[in-house]
Amino acid sequence: DTEVTQTPKHLVMGMTNKKSLKCEQHMGHRAMYWYKQKAKKPPELMFVYSYEKLSINESVPSRFSPECPNSSLLNLHLHALQPEDSALYLCASSQDTGASSYNEQFFGPGTRLTVL
Amino acid sequence: ILNVEQSPQSLHVQEGDSTNFTCSFPSSNFYALHWYRWETAKSPEALFVMTLNGDEKKKGRISATLNTKEGYSYLYIKGSQPEDSATYLCAFPDTGRRALTFGSGTRLQVQP
Repeated sequence: DTEVTQTPKHLVMGMTNKKSLKCEQHMGHRAMYWYKQKAKKPPELMFVYSYEKLSINESVPSRFSPECPNSSLLNLHLHALQPEDSALYLCASSQDTGASSYNEQFFGPGTRLTVL
Repeated sequence: ILNVEQSPQSLHVQEGDSTNFTCSFPSSNFYALHWYRWETAKSPEALFVMTLNGDEKKKGRISATLNTKEGYSYLYIKGSQPEDSATYLCAFPDTGRRALTFGSGTRLQVQP
């Protein structure tokens, strides 16, 4: 199974809502990532988890809260978002972090988030 | 943050045309360069991971070359087909951030 799944595919939420994005992989990968992608821009790294511990937070506002309950799951909890947070949120996984060529990242299809 | 650049930004070709585009990256501390294809409404799909200077990799009609000394990689598509229409991203591992830095992508549209 070389698939990374993400739910939901689409999410519309108000600025006062609390919602969560979910990501799952069963490839035994120990690194998982959240990226944000705005139209016509490359994916921008938000968070990296390595061995279920948060290893990188790219100065992401606290209204985004990641969680890695186990090695297969990655969540992104959303609260009090702003309209400018509307974007495609991509999850990815790799064997490990680092620059090795073996650390090819496998991506999910993303969650298209709209904040009203 | 590393500077990874791709050109052109977009490309429109006719079915059957061959095409190529460029990714340039910092030539110091090179480890690997990744190429991804990203079709609309799908997951980015890994095409190649290139590691050695002079590497040339091929997958069907798509091939890629690597020059680590001058810091560039070319992606070639021979005889483009409409199903090749996608955004092609290159990505460079940032050892400091232990993650990939992506270029802005080349958006390819192949007209039947």
